[in-house]
Amino acid sequence: SAVISQKPSRDICQRGTSLTIQCQVDSQVTMMFWYRQQPGQSLTLIATANQGSEATYESGFVIDKFPISRPNLTFSTLTVSNMSPEDSSIYLCSVVGTGAYEQYFGPGTRLTVT
Amino acid sequence: GQQLNQSPQSMFIQEGEDVSMNCTSSSIFNTWLWYKQDPGEGPVLLIALYKAGELTSNGRLTAQFGITRKDSFLNISASIPSDVGIYFCAGPSGAGSYQLTFGKGTKLSVIP
Repeated sequence: SAVISQKPSRDICQRGTSLTIQCQVDSQVTMMFWYRQQPGQSLTLIATANQGSEATYESGFVIDKFPISRPNLTFSTLTVSNMSPEDSSIYLCSVVGTGAYEQYFGPGTRLTVT
Repeated sequence: GQQLNQSPQSMFIQEGEDVSMNCTSSSIFNTWLWYKQDPGEGPVLLIALYKAGELTSNGRLTAQFGITRKDSFLNISASIPSDVGIYFCAGPSGAGSYQLTFGKGTKLSVIP
């Protein structure tokens, strides 16, 4: 399976600011996703990061709040904009492996907004 | 959208005991995935199931794809302290979709 790293691993941010999270994969992958995991909750898909085109967002998530870049097949960024305490979560990127639906996750970015 | 219901929500067991948890859906799934998440880490894929009735093992873990295609089970034999964590089931969100829907998880605590 691919090795996935995320930066930063954690951050504490002030309300109203923005944070960009990076996801780096050690091999080229076609499908890459961003998830949010609120405290004590399950994973919720934010968007599919498409290489060379705009990300595809799930219901309840919008580009103005969570802009995503995917400049190549090994890298993506997720920005959490104009943060509020409700954005405090773990943000995870994932990639599809060689199995049809198997996804592999990065270690996550733990965000606290004060 | 599709929803996955996991039970139990949490469980406390003695080290050495066997563990069983399940995941059910109101709709048919063609794939079942089981993940484990340790505190402060991302989920790690344990087992993938692709065929109704399939029984697959990974060490002390065994998972089954229910015949009805609406459920799946994960069993852990002879639990050890490092089995502690949250276990999630997941499946494709729709026909032909690579996006996953996750259950709410089963939190496992092992008492030494």
